[in-house]
Amino acid sequence: QSVLTQPPSASGTPGQRVTISCSGSSSNIGRNTVNWYQQLPGTAPKFLIHSNNQRPSGVPDRFSGSKSGTSASLAISGLQSEDEADYHCATWDDSLNAWLFGGGTKLTVL
Amino acid sequence: QVQLQQSGPGLVKPSQTLSLTCAISGDSVSSKSAAWNWIRQSPSRGLEWLGRTYYRSKWNIEYAVSVRSRITINPDTSKNQFSLQLKSVTPEDTAVYYCASSTSYFDHWGQGTLVTVSS
Repeated sequence: QSVLTQPPSASGTPGQRVTISCSGSSSNIGRNTVNWYQQLPGTAPKFLIHSNNQRPSGVPDRFSGSKSGTSASLAISGLQSEDEADYHCATWDDSLNAWLFGGGTKLTVL
Repeated sequence: QVQLQQSGPGLVKPSQTLSLTCAISGDSVSSKSAAWNWIRQSPSRGLEWLGRTYYRSKWNIEYAVSVRSRITINPDTSKNQFSLQLKSVTPEDTAVYYCASSTSYFDHWGQGTLVTVSS
């Protein structure tokens, strides 16, 4: 069981907006920035959002991140079929002195 | 552009040692801004960070509590690579193993190696 909690699944239709949550605690999300990774089937994860809400060049602005207290969210607007993937949150934990990942959310585009 | 190329066997017998190597191009294992990590992924455990090594005037190595008694991560400056050894493996260690570089996030990943622990 992951220390960071994500819903196992999410879904939406093309064009919709979906959000994926990531819940942690004061020793991890509460103190450190959150990163999000997209993992397409059979491939390694790719960083999508870093430092809570920063998009690397090449990531569409349909993807956005936010953080409040001990929770973070990834929002995807204008959903497209190619967004179907697994999404993982991650942050550093000051008590464990370790990187933590959420359990991952499988996004299905209906 | 940083590229990470993993190598190592895909099948390990129970109680033996899992060994993987990650060759770095486009950066240095002695970088003073990056860290070099091992991460694994299995259906039951999801993504799990195993440990990292980094150089900041001296070498630092940090391990996850879950594997601390069995893991060794070593940098190799002569070959610009770093390695993972996980001893006394069991079927629970069956997973896809990734190497990854990090600053404040994991920015580059290796291709992944499926390691199966089975006799």
